[in-house]
Amino acid sequence: AQSVTQLGSHVSVSEGALVLLRCNYSSSVPPYLFWYVQYPNQGLQLLLKYTSAATLVKGINGFEAEFKKSETSFHLTKPSAHMSDAAEYFCAVSKNTGNQFYFGTGTSLTVIP
Amino acid sequence: GAGVSQSPSNKVTEKGKDVELRCDPISGHTALYWYRQSLGQGLEFLIYFQGNSAPDKSGLPSDRFSAERTGGSVSTLTIQRTQQEDSAVYLCASSRAGGGSEKLFFGSGTQLSVL
Repeated sequence: AQSVTQLGSHVSVSEGALVLLRCNYSSSVPPYLFWYVQYPNQGLQLLLKYTSAATLVKGINGFEAEFKKSETSFHLTKPSAHMSDAAEYFCAVSKNTGNQFYFGTGTSLTVIP
Repeated sequence: GAGVSQSPSNKVTEKGKDVELRCDPISGHTALYWYRQSLGQGLEFLIYFQGNSAPDKSGLPSDRFSAERTGGSVSTLTIQRTQQEDSAVYLCASSRAGGGSEKLFFGSGTQLSVL
């Protein structure tokens, strides 16, 4: 069975500060890992994905995530938060076989001016 | 179309009524997913269509829920005899092909409220 845990349902950071959103997964086989972002009144958009190439994955809008197998983690970071980063962020995991994507419960990011 | 389109964007219904939610995927995308998003919860998988294969219905919560995909394109999710616990945002996503490495393209969702 696969599952995703996102620690912290709400995270607040000051504008210009580091953003760190945590994601841990459980998977019996090497997974694919994703971060999606949902802006208000919009659908989810892919930020980045890990598919067993480089462990440090760069995505859109300055975000990146590092796959750490030993820690079963895939935390999302951005060096300097912008007001426009305020959104809901979802971590997801899947296998290369099958068709199911397992999503975490989401982390709401607030950026304080 | 430019993206995944869902209609209606909002639906208010009375308990016991049937509702139909529509999803228009990106043209050419063979895979289509329905998810349910409830407050404080992650996305709950409902059903998956891939090409002409039999759909994966393993996520449907009860036999009141059904979905079909006509002509490999538009999909309709039907909820019969709605209950208050069905209130949620229903999200549709499509991908170019099936498989776990694919990027999902999501619609904006249908907010269902059952009174």
